[in-house]
Amino acid sequence: DVKVTQSSRYLVKRTGEKVFLECVQDMDHENMFWYRQDPGLGLRLIYFSYDVKMKEKGDIPEGYSVSREKKERFSLILESASTNQTSMYLCASTWDSWGNQPQHFGDGTRLSIL
Amino acid sequence: GQNIDQPTEMTATEGAIVQINCTYQTSGFNGLFWYQQHAGEAPTFLSYNVLDGLEEKGRFSSFLSRSKGYSYLLLKELQMKDSASYLCAAVGGATNKLIFGTGTLLAVQP
Repeated sequence: DVKVTQSSRYLVKRTGEKVFLECVQDMDHENMFWYRQDPGLGLRLIYFSYDVKMKEKGDIPEGYSVSREKKERFSLILESASTNQTSMYLCASTWDSWGNQPQHFGDGTRLSIL
Repeated sequence: GQNIDQPTEMTATEGAIVQINCTYQTSGFNGLFWYQQHAGEAPTFLSYNVLDGLEEKGRFSSFLSRSKGYSYLLLKELQMKDSASYLCAAVGGATNKLIFGTGTLLAVQP
């Protein structure tokens, strides 16, 4: 079974802090994704990566950056956290670049910015 | 533009059948996924349709009509554990990304 592990289930940070969310997958998947999930808005794609050191902006990249130094690890960075970034963050991975295979999700990190 | 619509909430009775509808508009459509998400947990894959028709997998079935931009998820013999959010997601756009609906929260009552 594919395992996608997010480093924290719950995280509380302060406005202006630099925040790192880590995600690791154990199935050698090329493709990794970061979403945020908010009530009434569903999952929205922040960034994705098709390979090591590759990154592509999703639908809402503002205020975020990512890092993919190793194939198994995809990090989401909040450069200067703001209260509107309080959300549930979900990481996902898949081997398929054509969108025909399911993405496998981590359990999520519930991030609160005070 | 790209848009996915599904009902916000539904209620059904244990043992019954429920149908959750999803309509979509997306360029370069390349298939439709259904995921189940229990509160506080990761979304888990239920089904994928790329061709018109019905795909059956145990108590769950999913239907797709590409010409109508329409899909539904059918849950039979409902159990209390089926209480969850059901997420419809279309594959589309230039990079074959998933575009998610807001999810349908299903409450199964005794």
